[in-house]
Amino acid sequence: EAQVTQNPRYLITVTGKKLTVTCSQNMNHEYMSWYRQDPGLGLRQIYYSMNVEVTDKGDVPEGYKVSRKEKRNFPLILESPSPNQTSLYFCASSLFSNTEAFFGQGTRLTVV
Amino acid sequence: AQSVAQPEDQVNVAEGNPLTVKCTYSVSGNPYLFWYVQYPNRGLQFLLKYITGDNLVKGSYGFEAEFNKSQTSFHLKKPSALVSDSALYFCAQGVGSARQLTFGSGTQLTVLP
Repeated sequence: EAQVTQNPRYLITVTGKKLTVTCSQNMNHEYMSWYRQDPGLGLRQIYYSMNVEVTDKGDVPEGYKVSRKEKRNFPLILESPSPNQTSLYFCASSLFSNTEAFFGQGTRLTVV
Repeated sequence: AQSVAQPEDQVNVAEGNPLTVKCTYSVSGNPYLFWYVQYPNRGLQFLLKYITGDNLVKGSYGFEAEFNKSQTSFHLKKPSALVSDSALYFCAQGVGSARQLTFGSGTQLTVLP
């Protein structure tokens, strides 16, 4: 089954404690991206990747890092989380940037 | 910079009536446009897209959207709404070779029985 898998689904952490949210896709897609969803703001793109070792900033990259060492995986790293990073995060993949995107189930992150 | 506007936070419609969810995009090159739907506690699901060609695009679950270049709009429509269509709908825009995708703020559609 074609899918994008994010883990964990829910995470509560404390300010400053490094965390990683994993994302994996099984469709051999080239394009992957991370979004955060906040009420009234829709989805905002954090980072995207065109292919292995090719990543670029989206609209709201501050406080986040990503890596793309393998085609299927695109982890999101928060080196020092802060309360303003409390949000719902989605990973997505698509064959190219202008084709249908498949979204993960989401990760609800709370930073206290 | 790209921008996408969904002017209505909430749309209510009676079951069986036609529905429209509005979206306007910023003018920049040749846009490609998407509609996605989000059900509670789920990720987004693709409904339809416009890249080039016919201005009327047909998508999943009986939805369609009309691309209007002069009004820079890409409204989502369905001739007869179902209660199960109740969800959060997002319009999104990309441009040409640009890699970024910009989403609107979302419209909550409620179909009343």
